[in-house]
Amino acid sequence: DVKVTQSSRYLVKRTGEKVFLECVQDMDHENMFWYRQDPGLGLRLIYFSYDVKMKEKGDIPEGYSVSREKKERFSLILESASTNQTSMYLCASSPLGGRSLLTDTQYFGPGTRLTVL
Amino acid sequence: SQQGEEDPQALSIQEGENATMNCSYKTSINNLQWYRQNSGRGLVHLILIRSNEREKHSGRLRVTLDTSKKSSSLLITASRAADTASYFCATVISGAGSYQLTFGKGTKLSVIP
Repeated sequence: DVKVTQSSRYLVKRTGEKVFLECVQDMDHENMFWYRQDPGLGLRLIYFSYDVKMKEKGDIPEGYSVSREKKERFSLILESASTNQTSMYLCASSPLGGRSLLTDTQYFGPGTRLTVL
Repeated sequence: SQQGEEDPQALSIQEGENATMNCSYKTSINNLQWYRQNSGRGLVHLILIRSNEREKHSGRLRVTLDTSKKSSSLLITASRAADTASYFCATVISGAGSYQLTFGKGTKLSVIP
């Protein structure tokens, strides 16, 4: 079975802090994604990566950056956390490679509920 | 704006009844996927239907796709309390530049024992 793990289930940070959210998948998947989920807004894509060291902006990249130094790990970074970044963050991965093949089933981690005070 | 929109936003049924959720979308798609999310958890993929398919089954799940109406439906038969969750459709748009799933806002299903 595919396993996608996220470093924390719950996280509380203060405004202005630098926050790292880690995601690891164990199935050698090429593609990895970061979403945030907010009531009434559904899932919105922040960033994705289709290869090591490759990253592309999703729909709402502002205030976030990502890092993919190894295939299995995709990190989401909040450079200076703000209260409007309080949200549920979901990481996902999918097996197919190449930018044009990001259409396959995605496997999600359990989510990190981040609160920024 | 959202590519996929689920309807209804919330649905409450008795255990044993069938649950039907609908998804409408705006532009031509490559495929459409349904996901389930238990409260406070990640999403789990349920079923994928491609644009050249009209119906797929998986256990108690039945998905239909009508590309002429740009809509899909998810039917859960003989529902159980454990089916209580939010259900999302996600679409992949056809054509150049297609690179991501776009999720709808979800239908919250409550199955009452």
